[in-house]
Amino acid sequence: EAGVVQSPRYKIIEKKQPVAFWCNPISGHNTLYWYLQNLGQGPELLIRYENEEAVDDSQLPKDRFSAERLKGVDSTLKIQPAELGDSAVYLCASSLGEQSNTGELFFGEGSRLTVL
Amino acid sequence: GQNIDQPTEMTATEGAIVQINCTYQTSGFNGLFWYQQHAGEAPTFLSYNVLDGLEEKGRFSSFLSRSKGYSYLLLKELQMKDSASYLCAVDSNYQLIWGAGTKLIIKP
Repeated sequence: EAGVVQSPRYKIIEKKQPVAFWCNPISGHNTLYWYLQNLGQGPELLIRYENEEAVDDSQLPKDRFSAERLKGVDSTLKIQPAELGDSAVYLCASSLGEQSNTGELFFGEGSRLTVL
Repeated sequence: GQNIDQPTEMTATEGAIVQINCTYQTSGFNGLFWYQQHAGEAPTFLSYNVLDGLEEKGRFSSFLSRSKGYSYLLLKELQMKDSASYLCAVDSNYQLIWGAGTKLIIKP
C-alpha cells in the first residue's frame, strides 16, 4: 500500500515569490494534516481537514497561506508571497480519524522550503 | 496553556538501556503518542498509551501515569540505528500537542 506522497521534496525560491505543495494521503484516510517543522522542533499544525472540511485552521497565517482539499482526497498548501521566515519543512500527514482519539498519523517525506 | 516538556538531547551507549521522559500539561487527554524521527525523514509511529501502565513492543516500551502527567519511552539493547529524535505528542481534545523532541545520540 502506498504511503502519503508529497511533492516537491525540495524547493528554493526568492522571497515574495509564490510556492505550492501537494499531498496525496493514504487511500481511505479521511483526516489530513499540514504541519510545519523547524529544525530541532516538533511539528506545528497549520490546518486539519476532515474529508473536504477544514476543521482546524486556527494556526494558519491566512494573510499569506491558503489550503484546499478538493473532493476530500488530495490537498495543496500555498504560500503567497513567501517570506524568509517560511523556510522550513512542510509535512503532510493522514489518519483514519478514529472515534476516541486522533489515531496514528502517517507522514509524508515532507517538502523542504528554502526562501532566499 | 498547553505544553509538553522533553529533554533536548540524550547520549547512550550501544547495547545499553535509555529512558526518555515526557511531562505534559494539557486541557484534555485522549492518549499519548511517541514517534521516532530520523534526521531528514518524517516521523513514524512508535506507541500509544491511553491507560496507566506499561506497553511493551519488542525493544521499545512506553509508560504512562495520567495522574502525574508523565510518560517515558524505554529503549533496550540500543542499536546505532536508534539514533534519532523521539517526539512525545498528547491528544488533547482531538488536537495533537507536540513536544520539541529528544535527540538521542548512540555511541559505540
